Amino acid sequence: AQTVTQSQPEMSVQEAETVTLSCTYDTSESDYYLFWYKQPPSRQMILVIRQEAYKQQNATENRFSVNFQKAAKSFSLKISDSQLGDAAMYFCAYSPFGNEKLTFGTGTRLTIIP
Amino acid sequence: DSGVTQTPKHLITATGQRVTLRCSPRSGDLSVYWYQQSLDQGLQFLIHYYNGEERAKGNILERFSAQQFPDLHSELNLSSLELGDSALYFCASSGPFGGGLGDTQYFGPGTRLTVL
Repeated sequence: AQTVTQSQPEMSVQEAETVTLSCTYDTSESDYYLFWYKQPPSRQMILVIRQEAYKQQNATENRFSVNFQKAAKSFSLKISDSQLGDAAMYFCAYSPFGNEKLTFGTGTRLTIIP
Repeated sequence: DSGVTQTPKHLITATGQRVTLRCSPRSGDLSVYWYQQSLDQGLQFLIHYYNGEERAKGNILERFSAQQFPDLHSELNLSSLELGDSALYFCASSGPFGGGLGDTQYFGPGTRLTVL
């Protein structure tokens, strides 16, 4: 069974600084997808970024980028120029190719310090 | 706004009761997923429907059932409710592919269920 591990329950960063959230996963599949979702206090689940495992290039979305290390089964999220609106719970999620069920990590609560 | 709608937003009921949660997917999406988020279990996949047919089941209790209707909206039925069923229930949609082409799942705002 696939598992997703987020070893940092809480992180904090000064506004305008850069922070990296860690995620590792375990799978025997070669084709799969990885996601980061953000859950602010409103509890809405918002997609931040997505990575296809067959792509070597790391995904980027504005201030958000990932460091995808397939061999190490690592998928970290880097947030640059942190803003107060980035404060949220961040979930790493895995989906194998051929089965779109998402397996989530336990989340990292990110606090932005003004 | 993801385009996925869920009703009701909040539901308070008593143990032993039955409730129905409703989800309307984004326009054009054929897949609907249900997830449960609780403090002790985290985010758990319950069930996936594609174009009216059940495609995958996760950690869904026998007291729970779901269906997807011809207009593609879905309902999650929870019966014989227990205190431990209190959670946030999310619906997500993707599509139009149901064959695992990595469609991104977009989540609704959730239904918060409180069982007293």
